[in-house]
Amino acid sequence: EAGVVQSPRYKIIEKKQPVAFWCNPISGHNTLYWYLQNLGQGPELLIRYENEEAVDDSQLPKDRFSAERLKGVDSTLKIQPAELGDSAVYLCASSGSGPLTDTQYFGPGTRLTVL
Amino acid sequence: QQQVKQSPQSLIVQKGGIPIINCAYENTAFDYFPWYQQFPGKGPALLIAIRPDVSEKKEGRFTISFNKSAKQFSLHIMDSQPGDSATYFCAASNTGTASKLTFGTGTRLQVTL
Repeated sequence: EAGVVQSPRYKIIEKKQPVAFWCNPISGHNTLYWYLQNLGQGPELLIRYENEEAVDDSQLPKDRFSAERLKGVDSTLKIQPAELGDSAVYLCASSGSGPLTDTQYFGPGTRLTVL
Repeated sequence: QQQVKQSPQSLIVQKGGIPIINCAYENTAFDYFPWYQQFPGKGPALLIAIRPDVSEKKEGRFTISFNKSAKQFSLHIMDSQPGDSATYFCAASNTGTASKLTFGTGTRLQVTL
């Protein structure tokens, strides 16, 4: 079974440029998460989707960040414009339905460097 | 209220030693406590998890001890190996709020020969 797929793995951009990250969750997983992980820190939730609905986006900086999950499968996270402080690893995770919904499976992340 | 405090920040043990990583939480509504292992350049991977109805859970060389009254839980790695060198994160969630995980700050473990 394929895991959570993310692309690109690395991205280097100049500040004020836009950037987008893509995530393909594990097949059949209804819940999708985007996390931000700063160096030396634990992941912090940005947004959580149940199917195509964003059910928790309270930590998403909506002035520059946006996300979508069309058709309830793949998801895209966008930053526009990027700032120096956005340099971090962006992790996507997914979890299934049923009794084991607690287990979140993480992708390898996208390492963003903003110059 | 949502914070999970993790210690130590880093840990060096010799092969065969038993590193112990501790976490403390504040929110008494938390009812799911996983530990994740993360290697450089990889995403976190679930190692072991516990619910508050038991005080200990063992899976292979990994054991979680849970103290509900103290609001603390810890990870023990028996017979540690160099391949266990990674960063370990504790986390907690209230499954009533659909699994929003709150992570600790991580412990960087190095197992030497």
